Amino acid sequence: DIQMTQSPSTLSASVGDRVTITCRASQSISSWLAWYQQKPGKAPKLLIYKASSLESGVPSRFSGSGSGTEFTLTISSLQPDDFATYYCQQYNSYLTWTFGQGTKVEIK
Amino acid sequence: QVQLVESGGGLVKPGGSLRLSCAASGFTFSDYYMSWIRQAPGKGLEWVSYISSSGSTIYYADSVKGRFTISRDNAKNSLYLQMNSLRAEDTAVYYCAGVAAATDAFDIWGQGTMVTVSS
Repeated sequence: DIQMTQSPSTLSASVGDRVTITCRASQSISSWLAWYQQKPGKAPKLLIYKASSLESGVPSRFSGSGSGTEFTLTISSLQPDDFATYYCQQYNSYLTWTFGQGTKVEIK
Repeated sequence: QVQLVESGGGLVKPGGSLRLSCAASGFTFSDYYMSWIRQAPGKGLEWVSYISSSGSTIYYADSVKGRFTISRDNAKNSLYLQMNSLRAEDTAVYYCAGVAAATDAFDIWGQGTMVTVSS
């Protein structure tokens, strides 16, 4: 099975900061990677698909990059609404779908 | 509006059974692949099961294989998860989620239904 590893697990940042979260796959997944945002008590929300495509309605301060085994989610200028937990997810293998363990973005 | 609404969660004893339902509205359900994804309290997301748009292709996570059965009724715009031989480690919020061909990612989510397995 493909394993997904996110870093860091927790990130403390201030409003206006540039934030980068990394996701590594245990084997190549081409560009079959998505990023989700989840707030407490809520369902996850799709932000980025196919590694770098912005989901409709998602603010342009969110961007994704990478291919193969290393990917990043960048928030160019952190806003108060962005404090949440972020998950990467691979869908290269259609026998299983795997999420990273999550990165919690906290207020510094 | 586009919506998925789960139901059927609750408290069940170890070894018991439960059937979850997910009602879709506001989009063409039969165009979407569907999955169940769960989240144990305070933990991350775990994919549980997948069913293709026609229902002809089904996959399960190893952790539920042989115990859970996914199905769908496109005429009723509904997705189901039959859960048998439940264990304490199945305790989680269960989300149904839809995959559109355009994104190949989970772009529609329900609000989740809580399943608690405890004696």
